[in-house]
Formats: sequence, C-alpha cells, structure tokens
Amino acid sequence: SAVISQKPSRDICQRGTSLTIQCQVDSQVTMMFWYRQQPGQSLTLIATANQGSEATYESGFVIDKFPISRPNLTFSTLTVSNMSPEDSSIYLCSVALGVDQPQHFGDGTRLSIL
Amino acid sequence: AQSVTQLGSHVSVSEGALVLLRCNYSSSVPPYLFWYVQYPNQGLQLLLKYTSAATLVKGINGFEAEFKKSETSFHLTKPSAHMSDAAEYFCAVSMNTGFQKLVFGTGTRLLVSP
Repeated sequence: SAVISQKPSRDICQRGTSLTIQCQVDSQVTMMFWYRQQPGQSLTLIATANQGSEATYESGFVIDKFPISRPNLTFSTLTVSNMSPEDSSIYLCSVALGVDQPQHFGDGTRLSIL
Repeated sequence: AQSVTQLGSHVSVSEGALVLLRCNYSSSVPPYLFWYVQYPNQGLQLLLKYTSAATLVKGINGFEAEFKKSETSFHLTKPSAHMSDAAEYFCAVSMNTGFQKLVFGTGTRLLVSP
C-alpha cells in the first residue's frame, strides 16, 4: 500500500474564506482522487487528478469552487473556495497505485465552517 | 451507471456473534467490488476486494466476502465479532478497467456489545 498524509487534519474556518488541503504520497502515483463525506453520509467523488493535466470534475462540482492542483506524481492540493456552512465535511484524498489496483485513502481533513 | 445498496444503516451484534453486512450492486458490466472500514476520526481502510478472480475473497481482520453474480451481492461476513470491529463499513463498486472512480454505498455502522 502507500502512506498518504493529509494536511490539515482538521480546521475551523469563517464563511467566505478559502482553505487549501494538501495530500502527499510516499510513492509516485498516476491517479489521485478527492472525495467529500458530508456529516453522517457516504463518500462522493469530487474530482480525479492526473499529473500534468486538468482535473476531471464530477457532476455537481466545479473548478471555481474546488480548484485542484497536481504538480507532480506525489502531491496534490484541493482548495475549498468561498466557504459556507454547507461545505462542512470531511475531505479525503485517495490514490490508486496502479491500473486495476484498489484505492487507498488518507485520514481526511475535517472541516467546519462557522 | 453503477450503484451500490447497503441494507441496514446500523447493525448490532454481540461480541462473538456472526457479523453479516449486506451489499448489493448494480452494474452493466462485471464490476470490481470493495469493502472499506472507517474507524472514528480516521480515513478509509481497505478490507478486501473482488476483481474477478476467486468469488470468495478473504480480507484483513478475519473478514471475508462472497461475490454472487446471480444475486448481484457482495455481502461481508466475519464468524465472530470483536469489540474492535465497531466501525462504519462501506461497500464500493468500480468499473473493471483502468483507473476508475469508486461509487460508494451509504454505509453500515456496526455496533458490538459485550
């Protein structure tokens, strides 16, 4: 498997501000994924991030609200922009170590917006 | 489109009893199937995966799952529950080629009483 580190692990933010979440992997991976887990709910994919190309967003998620960077094969960031209380969630990154391999997850970032 | 249905948002068992968590999938093509576990304040940990090899899949911590195409099911079992098994369990499905996104079920919280 892989060691996946997310920062910050949790944060409390004011509405209207933005927060950038970092995801670092201890090995090079082609594909990284960002998920949102709203309180008491399951995980929903926000976008898929492939190194060297624009992220692919799922229906209901837009780049202006959730810009993603993928500068190299071990790192990605997700920014939650202009936050509102509805953005209070756990945000998780995951990686696939190879084709047809299962995804492995970081511990998530627990975000609360006041 | 693929989807996953997990019957029962909560399952309660006594320590030492059989654990059965239900998962049914919908997919137009043979899928890959996964079970993940989420402990409080942690990310998701892969329990086991089905990728079209053996239909009975053994995972970590004594869990196993059986892929039944005729029933479109992938139920998770463990012969004897332990207090440490108390957690949220997610069934997920993906396409069976390349780097594919995961579609998660709504999750089942397992409660284990002494």
